[in-house]
Amino acid sequence: QVQLVQSGPEVKKPGASVKVSCKATGYTFTSYDINWVRQATGQGLEWMGRMDRNSGKTVYAQKFQGRVTMTRDTSISTAYMELSSLRSDDTAMYYCARGPPPDYYGAGSYFDPWGRGTQVTVSS
Amino acid sequence: QSVLTQPPSVSGAPGQRVTISCTGSSSNIGAGYDVHWYQQLPGAAPKLLIYVNTNRPSGVPDRFSGSKSGTSASLAITGLQAEDEADYYCLSYDSSLSDPKYVFGTGTKVTVL
Repeated sequence: QVQLVQSGPEVKKPGASVKVSCKATGYTFTSYDINWVRQATGQGLEWMGRMDRNSGKTVYAQKFQGRVTMTRDTSISTAYMELSSLRSDDTAMYYCARGPPPDYYGAGSYFDPWGRGTQVTVSS
Repeated sequence: QSVLTQPPSVSGAPGQRVTISCTGSSSNIGAGYDVHWYQQLPGAAPKLLIYVNTNRPSGVPDRFSGSKSGTSASLAITGLQAEDEADYYCLSYDSSLSDPKYVFGTGTKVTVL
């Protein structure tokens, strides 16, 4: 079945970088966008950006521009999200989520399914 | 600070009907962008509940329904069950010129009394 398998928890010091992976199984990786969403403990969901399925081009939320880099390795059906210059308020669960099917032409995408999340803790 | 506003909490007895609103503006829901709904159980990733305003993915009970009108959308849960106790989020797209992006609602905790 369709699954997004994320890498394990990370603990980083302020100022460091973290790279989270998201391996797709059960479908053609390059047929769907991949989005990244984060959630601080007890808080709501925040969209960080997405990678286009065809071109691999990325679109980032303004809040993260300059600090986030989303990449992929199509040979192993894996997407990556790297966040640099980490601060304590970057402590959160980071999720990858698949975009809608290729034949979807609606006004605004939905995300399904989601990975189980990767906990990133930033602490000195 | 999200541009989509939801009530922080709603509650109901088993079997009752509850609704969750998602209020946006002319740059998101009011601009015609679709609204999608997610259920997040404690300690779990969000699960798609409603997509494109009114559609249920296979496997989602028909107790869940969605609607959209003007600058708002709503999620209704009829025949409330104990397993419906969770956080619920709406999702849409905001076309603000300064920062276009996908936006989630503030989230609503549903409590089954």
